[in-house]
Amino acid sequence: AQTIHQWPVAEIKAVGSPLSLGCTIKGKSSPNLYWYWQATGGTLQQLFYSITVGQVESVVQLNLSASRPKDDQFILSTEKLLLSHSGFYLCAWSLGGCAETLYFGSGTRLTVL
Amino acid sequence: DAKTTQPDSMESTEGETVHLPCSHATISGNEYIYWYRQVPLQGPEYVTHGLQQNTTNSMAFLAIASDRKSSTLILTHVSLRDAAVYHCILRVGTGGNNKLTFGQGTVLSVIP
Repeated sequence: AQTIHQWPVAEIKAVGSPLSLGCTIKGKSSPNLYWYWQATGGTLQQLFYSITVGQVESVVQLNLSASRPKDDQFILSTEKLLLSHSGFYLCAWSLGGCAETLYFGSGTRLTVL
Repeated sequence: DAKTTQPDSMESTEGETVHLPCSHATISGNEYIYWYRQVPLQGPEYVTHGLQQNTTNSMAFLAIASDRKSSTLILTHVSLRDAAVYHCILRVGTGGNNKLTFGQGTVLSVIP
């Protein structure tokens, strides 16, 4: 069975500090990977997606970056956090192909002070 | 992806059957109808999806109108665990980005 693990579960960070969030998928080779973000009280927005190692496409510009260093790993990061980065970050995976089902992780709650 | 319209909220009582409607009048022929549900501070959970035919699984029954302009997610014997925000989403993946566009969804409350 496939499992998706996100870390950390929650973070409290200062404005201007760096951030790194991680996601690992086990039990599925060459998945498509996605980062989504939800501001408090807002709707989920897709930030990035990746269909293969080393290849990441940006969907929404939020002064964040993403990388896929391994087939089963997806990293979201920034060197300088903004207050507006607060929210709930979700990693998801799907099989390749069109209109495939997305399966989400349990998320990371980020508070920027 | 085409737009969907859902009621803001609905209420049900434990043990009852609830019908969650979704309108998608401008759906394209190659768009799938997906349903996810989400509780606060958890990731969305896949419920079901369909293209033209009604579908059923252990979580729900999805009834799709013959003209595909609307659909209804039917939950039987609802429990407190079914209280969540239910999202009806249309999608067609292109170029490897199986993007889901979430709206506000329907908040389902379940009364004990």
